[in-house]
Amino acid sequence: EKVMTQSPATLSVSPGERATLSCRASQSVNSNFAWYQQKPGQAPRLLIYGASTRATGIPARFSGTGSGTEFTLTISSLQSEDFAVYYCQQYNNWPYTFGQGTKLEIK
Amino acid sequence: EVQLVESGGGLVQPGRSLRLSCAASGFTFDDYAMHWVRQAPGKGLEWVSGISWNSGSIGYADSVKGRFTISRDNAKNSLYLQMNSLRAEDTALYYCAKGGAEIAFLTWFDPWGQGTLVTVSS
Repeated sequence: EKVMTQSPATLSVSPGERATLSCRASQSVNSNFAWYQQKPGQAPRLLIYGASTRATGIPARFSGTGSGTEFTLTISSLQSEDFAVYYCQQYNNWPYTFGQGTKLEIK
Repeated sequence: EVQLVESGGGLVQPGRSLRLSCAASGFTFDDYAMHWVRQAPGKGLEWVSGISWNSGSIGYADSVKGRFTISRDNAKNSLYLQMNSLRAEDTALYYCAKGGAEIAFLTWFDPWGQGTLVTVSS
């Protein structure tokens, strides 16, 4: 099973600033990698798939980079609606695995 | 618009069974793999099970293997999860999720339903 480790667990950033979230896979997952956003009381929403492709309707301030074992989600200028929990996921093989989440909070 | 609506959750005693359903609409159901993902209260996401478009490939997390069975009925646009021998640690919100790419089994999840809550307690 591939273990996905996200860092940091909590990130405090001011609105308008840049946020950088990281995820590391215990073994290569190639580019079979996704990011999700989850707000309280809501289902997760796909942000990025294929490590760097934005999902339909996702603003351009969200960008994903990486391949293999190291991945990054960058939110270029934080808006109030971006404060949420973010999860990474590998779908290179099963069992599909998620990171433990990064909580992005307002500084 | 793609819609996934889960049902069948509830309070159940340890050792008992429950069957979850997911009604899909707004897309060609039999073109996509489907998955169940759960989230224990206050915790992260755990993939539970997935099934390919034609039921030819099925996978389970080790935590549920031998107890849970996933199935689908393409004629009814529905996904199911039969959960037997339930344990307290199975308590979670269970989400139904659609595979992101046609036919492919190994793919991202998009979108997700709103979930159905399963509580296992005596």
